Amino acid sequence: DARVTQTPRHKVTEMGQEVTMRCQPILGHNTVFWYRQTMMQGLELLAYFRNRAPLDDSGMPKDRFSAEMPDATLATLKIQPSEPRDSAVYFCASGLNIYGYTFGSGTRLTVV
Amino acid sequence: KQEVTQIPAALSVPEGENLVLNCSFTDSAIYNLQWFRQDPGKGLTSLLLIQSSQREQTSGRLNASLDKSSGRSTLYIAASQPGDSATYLCVTGTASKLTFGTGTRLQVTL
Repeated sequence: DARVTQTPRHKVTEMGQEVTMRCQPILGHNTVFWYRQTMMQGLELLAYFRNRAPLDDSGMPKDRFSAEMPDATLATLKIQPSEPRDSAVYFCASGLNIYGYTFGSGTRLTVV
Repeated sequence: KQEVTQIPAALSVPEGENLVLNCSFTDSAIYNLQWFRQDPGKGLTSLLLIQSSQREQTSGRLNASLDKSSGRSTLYIAASQPGDSATYLCVTGTASKLTFGTGTRLQVTL
């Protein structure tokens, strides 16, 4: 089965450091979402790409977060500088129009 | 703004029981509806996808229905097993947005 691949699976970093999370969407999918999940807030949308173009990043703290798709096989989410409140599980999902979405296994980020 | 509500929020049943999870949504202008399961500390696994033109989908012991006109979907699990214990999420999809339900935490006991 095709899958969405996220790396790293786990990341522990010190406050103030830069964090980069990567996502390889399923080949042929034209839509990519980044979500963050915490116990308190549940799943929150951070960014959304269609055909590699960013269409919605209103859920993302602009001063420290950035999301890009340098090519169709890679989406990145960067946090600089990281803060303890960024600790969460970050999910990437890819899909194609009406055919539903597939989620990656997530990156568990801990900022100490 | 789409709102997706799931009932019940939590459910505990003995092994072997058939059960129904309910999902309601406020905006019927959706492309599709997916049911996912999430195990503690894990990602979301897609169980069933119902496109907006479809009424139901089946996979093994799972059956999901969709009634767009009434804004409802149900997930039926037959002959439940302890391995079915997880949180089940109903998710509506449009071209630009996924809206997650509030979730149902299922516990199947021996």
